[in-house]
Amino acid sequence: QSVLTQPPSASGTPGQRVTISCSGSSSDIGIDAVNWYQQLPGAAPKLLIYSGDRRPSGVPDRFSGSKSGTSASLAISGLQSEDEADYYCAAWDNSLSGHAVFGGGTKLTVL
Amino acid sequence: QVQLQESGPGLVKPSETLSLTCTVSGGSIRSNYWSWIRQSPGKGLEWMGYVYYTGSTNYSPSLRSRLTMSVDTSKNQFSMKLSSVTAADTAVYYCARVYCANGVCQNDIFDIWGQGTMVTVSS
Repeated sequence: QSVLTQPPSASGTPGQRVTISCSGSSSDIGIDAVNWYQQLPGAAPKLLIYSGDRRPSGVPDRFSGSKSGTSASLAISGLQSEDEADYYCAAWDNSLSGHAVFGGGTKLTVL
Repeated sequence: QVQLQESGPGLVKPSETLSLTCTVSGGSIRSNYWSWIRQSPGKGLEWMGYVYYTGSTNYSPSLRSRLTMSVDTSKNQFSMKLSSVTAADTAVYYCARVYCANGVCQNDIFDIWGQGTMVTVSS
């Protein structure tokens, strides 16, 4: 069972805006920025959003992140077929000498 | 650009030790933290731990009793050993680089990943 909670699935049509939520606690998201990873089918995960709302070079600005309290969200605007993937949130949990935690992942389907 | 490549046996017997190595190319292993992350078939990602180039480590609480990570700076490699494996340890194992900027490293940000290696625990 993952420490961070994500919906198992999400969907949208091309051009639509989709959000994926990530819920944590006061020991992780509550005190740390959230990072997001995209995993295309059969591939290794790729860093998508870090430190809450920053995008690595090459990631389109259609992807954005936000946080409020102990929850965070990934928003994808102008949805494209190539966005169909699994998305994972991650944060640092300051309990038990500190360790990274992931969400269970959300499978995004582009209809 | 930095690339990571995992290597090791694809099949390990129950109760034995799983050993994997990650080779860093295109850059130095120094001044960085390096992590192992695994993904059981059809499941999500699980952080296993990190090792600093000096050899200091931090492990997931759930794996701490069975996990050992190390670094070989002369070979630009880092490794992990997971003892007493069971079928539950069957997974794709990824090595990853921890993001560092301006001398600050954030151990929950993994900016470069290896392609992953599938390890099956079975007799």
